[in-house]
Amino acid sequence: AQKVTQAQTEISVVEKEDVTLDCVYETRDTTYYLFWYKQPPSGELVFLIRRNSFDEQNEISGRYSWNFQKSTSSFNFTITASQVVDSAVYFCALSREPMNSGYSTLTFGKGTMLLVSP
Amino acid sequence: AAGVIQSPRHLIKEKRETATLKCYPIPRHDTVYWYQQGPGQDPQFLISFYEKMQSDKGSIPDRFSAQQFSDYHSELNMSSLELGDSALYFCASSFPGLAANRKRDEQFFGPGTRLTVL
Repeated sequence: AQKVTQAQTEISVVEKEDVTLDCVYETRDTTYYLFWYKQPPSGELVFLIRRNSFDEQNEISGRYSWNFQKSTSSFNFTITASQVVDSAVYFCALSREPMNSGYSTLTFGKGTMLLVSP
Repeated sequence: AAGVIQSPRHLIKEKRETATLKCYPIPRHDTVYWYQQGPGQDPQFLISFYEKMQSDKGSIPDRFSAQQFSDYHSELNMSSLELGDSALYFCASSFPGLAANRKRDEQFFGPGTRLTVL
């Protein structure tokens, strides 16, 4: 069975602070995919990143960066110089390798609510 | 770029009524997923379809049914609605492509349908 744990329920920071959202996952698969989604107050799920289990390179995209460590089954997300617009619920998710038919459902963590105040 | 379309965006029903939610995937996407997100919860997978056949099943109640039509749109039918069915229902679509091209198996989420059962 797959499981995603986001231990931080809510994080509050002041603008311009750096913040790291933790994600720990469990899977018996050797090939899998990890995702981060952002859910702002408006409710839609916004895709941020996908990483496959064979690619442990860290990634940076603007103020966002991700640290994937297979040894500790973690896929942490850091926002540098946070802004008020970053306030949202952030979900980490895990999926299995899709079969030839292609389906690979997502298992989500409980989410971390990030509140960035001015 | 075209996105996943869900209708209606908001729906209010009484207990024991029925509801039908519709999902129009991104053009050429052949896989559709339904997720249910209760208040303050993470999205939970309900059911998925690949090429008009059910491909995976999650925690979908027996009162719910779904199908994917020849034009790849999908409908989630919910009967005997209960207060606990009040949630945000997301549809996602993907195009797995060939096994050698896994990158295309990214799930794109629609804006969601907010169902309120009174």
